[in-house]
Amino acid sequence: EIVMTQSPATLSVSPGERATLSCRASQSVVSNLAWYQQKPGQAPRLLIYGASTRATGIPARFSGSGSGTEFTLTISSLQSEDFAVYYCQQYNNWPPWTFGQGTKVEIK
Amino acid sequence: QVQLVESGGGVVQPGGSLRLSCAASGFTFSHYGMHWVRQAPGKGLEWVAFIRSDGSVKFYPDSVKGRFTISRDNSEDTVHLQMNSLRAEDTAVYYCAKDVPVAYFDYWGRGTRVTVSS
Repeated sequence: EIVMTQSPATLSVSPGERATLSCRASQSVVSNLAWYQQKPGQAPRLLIYGASTRATGIPARFSGSGSGTEFTLTISSLQSEDFAVYYCQQYNNWPPWTFGQGTKVEIK
Repeated sequence: QVQLVESGGGVVQPGGSLRLSCAASGFTFSHYGMHWVRQAPGKGLEWVAFIRSDGSVKFYPDSVKGRFTISRDNSEDTVHLQMNSLRAEDTAVYYCAKDVPVAYFDYWGRGTRVTVSS
């Protein structure tokens, strides 16, 4: 089973600033990585797939990068609606499909 | 637009059973695999079950294997999760999610809450 590890657990950022979230896989997942955003009381929403491709309707301020075992989600200028929990997920080796434990982006 | 609506959650005693359902619309249901993913209170996401588009292939993690069964009815555009021998650690919000062919999950329902408690 591939273990996904996200850091930091919590990121405190001021509106308008850049946020950088990290995700590490216990073995290579090539570029088979997705990012999701989850707001309180809501279902997760797909942001990024293929490590760097934005899903339909996702603003350009969200970008993904990386390959192999190291990945990054960058939010270039945080808006109020971006404060949420973000999860990475690998789909290179399945089953199981595995998620990171999440990074909470909170208002500084 | 794609819609996934879960139902069937509730409170059940340890050792009990529950059947969750997910009604799909807005896409050709019979063409896509479906997943169940759960989230325990205050915790992260855990994949629980997958079923292929034609129902011929099913996968489960070890944590639920032998206790949970996923099924689908392509004539009714629904996917089900039969949960038996429930434990306290199965307490969670259960989401159904549409599969991008055996990859990531592009649409999610709003979830149904399951509480296992005496």
